[in-house]
Amino acid sequence: DAKTTQPPSMDCAEGRAANLPCNHSTISGNEYVYWYRQIHSQGPQYIIHGLKNNETNEMASLIITEDRKSSTLILPHATLRDTAVYYCIVRADSWGKLQFGAGTQVVVTP
Amino acid sequence: DVKVTQSSRYLVKRTGEKVFLECVQDMDHENMFWYRQDPGLGLRLIYFSYDVKMKEKGDIPEGYSVSREKKERFSLILESASTNQTSMYLCASSRTTLDRKNQPQHFGDGTRLSIL
Repeated sequence: DAKTTQPPSMDCAEGRAANLPCNHSTISGNEYVYWYRQIHSQGPQYIIHGLKNNETNEMASLIITEDRKSSTLILPHATLRDTAVYYCIVRADSWGKLQFGAGTQVVVTP
Repeated sequence: DVKVTQSSRYLVKRTGEKVFLECVQDMDHENMFWYRQDPGLGLRLIYFSYDVKMKEKGDIPEGYSVSREKKERFSLILESASTNQTSMYLCASSRTTLDRKNQPQHFGDGTRLSIL
């Protein structure tokens, strides 16, 4: 699986959009971009994934650049419950083990 | 919504005990996984299963065994618990497609196990 780079931390004001960047410059053509988050003392939570096109679900939007070397996870209206570590992963398939990097610690403040 | 349920959030056991961790998923997923998560080491795969009665070793199977007698249930067994098995244990499940692609793993809330 290709390596990803994320900022170690970021703050976001409650009610504002949170834009979380991820670089994956060595991504292969068959690798998907996945996002998970982990709230303290809970299991990881799947958020969204995509291959080429932008994706949106009830939790977030995923914007993938045309060259696929980077992506942005957008939480449209951050709440205090969105405070968590966010992990960006690229992988060719979901079979086998997941490996998380250090992720981005997001703190949403009132 | 996918629901993966782990039997205990917190568990305290003694060295040498046989420990059972249970995981149940309600989405008819074929694949199930057991990980442990430790600070600074990230997620490490212990065992996984892609079908009933089937199991495959992950990266750190030593000291553990698993059982999958029914599709929805995947059990992790610590044969003789040791202090270095104190950890957060996470169960996950995913669906199989013909090409095994594009299916996320969904996790339970974890069991924080302490071995004294």
